[in-house]
Amino acid sequence: DGGITQSPKYLFRKEGQNVTLSCEQNLNHDAMYWYRQDPGQGLRLIYYSQIVNDFQKGDIAEGYSVSREKKESFPLTVTSAQKNPTAFYLCASSMRMFQIDNSPLHFGNGTRLTVT
Amino acid sequence: QKEVEQNSGPLSVPEGAIASLNCTYSDRGSQSFFWYRQYSGKSPELIMFIYSNGDKEDGRFTAQLNKASQYVSLLIRDSQPSDSATYLCAVTGSGGYNKLIFGAGTRLAVHP
Repeated sequence: DGGITQSPKYLFRKEGQNVTLSCEQNLNHDAMYWYRQDPGQGLRLIYYSQIVNDFQKGDIAEGYSVSREKKESFPLTVTSAQKNPTAFYLCASSMRMFQIDNSPLHFGNGTRLTVT
Repeated sequence: QKEVEQNSGPLSVPEGAIASLNCTYSDRGSQSFFWYRQYSGKSPELIMFIYSNGDKEDGRFTAQLNKASQYVSLLIRDSQPSDSATYLCAVTGSGGYNKLIFGAGTRLAVHP
């Protein structure tokens, strides 16, 4: 079955450490996204990528970095510069970049990151 | 003003009743509108999308769009306890890359 796999499901880190969240998709989608979800807030876009070796900042990119070396993979690194990293992180993909009319977002199961 | 606004709830309805979830948006250029359902601790899943003014029905779900009023709603008929979840409204912006903007969600509780 095709889908998006995020790992790990839960992640705990000490403040000051960088941490990388994994996102892999086998849907053959071109576009991939990272969102952050906090209680009482909508999903906020961190980074997105239209094609391999290309990515763009979303609305809240500060303190995060990404890479897109393979079509299937879009890992997110939460750096020590991110002031409030504890959140639920969701990876998503779509067939084409934000051509959501014909290609809705497919979400992974999320990674819950806790930084203490 | 938030770009996409939803009442946080909880909206409590008895089993078998109609649940009405509402969403307003600020960008008049928005073209596409989506409803996602999210169970606690899980990822969002798409329920419906609507592009044109009026109603769109899919099973027990009906999406309603009024672009003049910048208002989109989701009706759930014959509500079941399994419908208890948070419902996210999402709207495409009219900016450069037509990004999807999410509301904070309305929590629905269907009680037997």
